[in-house]
Amino acid sequence: LAKTTQPISMDSYEGQEVNITCSHNNIATNDYITWYQQFPSQGPRFIIQGYKTKVTNEVASLFIPADRKSSTLSLPRVSLSDTAVYYCLVGDSGSYNTDKLIFGTGTRLQVFP
Amino acid sequence: SQTIHQWPATLVQPVGSPLSLECTVEGTSNPNLYWYRQAAGRGLQLLFYSVGIGQISSEVPQNLSASRPQDRQFILSSKKLLLSDSGFYLCAWRGVNYGYTFGSGTRLTVV
Repeated sequence: LAKTTQPISMDSYEGQEVNITCSHNNIATNDYITWYQQFPSQGPRFIIQGYKTKVTNEVASLFIPADRKSSTLSLPRVSLSDTAVYYCLVGDSGSYNTDKLIFGTGTRLQVFP
Repeated sequence: SQTIHQWPATLVQPVGSPLSLECTVEGTSNPNLYWYRQAAGRGLQLLFYSVGIGQISSEVPQNLSASRPQDRQFILSSKKLLLSDSGFYLCAWRGVNYGYTFGSGTRLTVV
């Protein structure tokens, strides 16, 4: 499983766009990139997943360059409720019987008023 | 729709006592099931995962064990708890599509 590297923490203010970059230099051809959000004393929640280029849903966008060695989670106009830890993971979603999510330390995002 | 249930939400146990945490999944069949532990202020550590009834893979040698007696039931156990077993325990499942769903977690404090 490819290892990921993220900033330990980030600060932002309400209404700003936040971009969290994740490095995954050893990503494999079949690996997808997935981001999770975790609030204190809760389980992680799936945010977005992508393989290449750009993916957008109602809460975030995920940008993946052509070489796929990094990815950027973009949160538009953050609010105080976006204060959480964000995890970037890579894994082969096609390997149903063998895959297992290995979490790194994540990025702790603090949003200020 | 699929749901995952995990209980209890909080638990305080003395050192040396046994432990049993239960996780059940509804609305799906033959899910992959996982147990994670999160120490205070730390990331998630994968403890066990199971791809089917009776099939358990251990990721970290420790004082804990896991069992899967039924397709949608995953149990985390210990015969004698240690202080270092304190933490936030999370159960998760994965179906045939991508994306993992986590339970609400159990906060275990060993005293």
